[in-house]
Amino acid sequence: NAGVTQTPKFQVLKTGQSMTLQCAQDMNHNSMYWYRQDPGMGLRLIYYSASEGTTDKGEVPNGYNVSRLNKREFSLRLESAAPSQTSVYFCASEPSLTLEQYFGPGTRLTVT
Amino acid sequence: QKEVEQNSGPLSVPEGAIASLNCTYSDRGSQSFFWYRQYSGKSPELIMFIYSNGDKEDGRFTAQLNKASQYVSLLIRDSQPSDSATYLCAARFGRDDKIIFGKGTRLHILP
Repeated sequence: NAGVTQTPKFQVLKTGQSMTLQCAQDMNHNSMYWYRQDPGMGLRLIYYSASEGTTDKGEVPNGYNVSRLNKREFSLRLESAAPSQTSVYFCASEPSLTLEQYFGPGTRLTVT
Repeated sequence: QKEVEQNSGPLSVPEGAIASLNCTYSDRGSQSFFWYRQYSGKSPELIMFIYSNGDKEDGRFTAQLNKASQYVSLLIRDSQPSDSATYLCAARFGRDDKIIFGKGTRLHILP
C-alpha cells in the first residue's frame, strides 16, 4: 500500500502560470481533502470531496479548482498562480468509519 | 466559529521527562479528537484519536479528554529526542462535519 501519493514534490511557477497538483490514494477511502500550510497559519482547508463526483469549498478556495476524477484521485488546479499561493500543499484521505485523516507527503510550491 | 486552540511553544522538555501538550476547543458538541505529529518538512501523521472522556494509552503516549472543560491533552512519557516535532490537535463535531486543526505546538526534547 502506497497510502496517499502526491505529485510533484516541488514546483516553481511564474505569476500567471497554471498547474495541476495530483493526489491519489489506494486505501479505498471515500473522502479526500486539499490543505495548504503556511508558517504560523496551520492547516487550512481549500476543497474537499466527500465522495466520488462531489466537491465542496473549504476555508480558502479562491484561486483554486478541484476535480474528483474517480474514487482514487483528487486533483487541485491553480489557473493563474499568484505569489500568495506560495505554500506547502497537502492532500489527505479519510475512511468513512473511523474519521481520521491520512496525509500525502506534500507539494512545495513557489510562485515568483 | 469552531476553533481548536494550542499554545505554539516551543515547549522544551528534558529527555526522559513527561511532555504534556494541551489543546482546547470551542464547540461543546465536538465528538472526535485527534493528535498528529509533524516533523519539520514532513506531512502530519496520526498518533492517536480519542472519542470518550478519560484516558487512552498507546505505548508512551496517553491522550486525555475532558468534554466538560473542553480540553484534550497528550502526554508523552520517557521523552526522546526523536519526539521533537510539532504536534497538531484536531477536533470534529460530528461524522458529517469537517475536521478542525489547531496550529500546533512545537516540542523540543533536550538531550
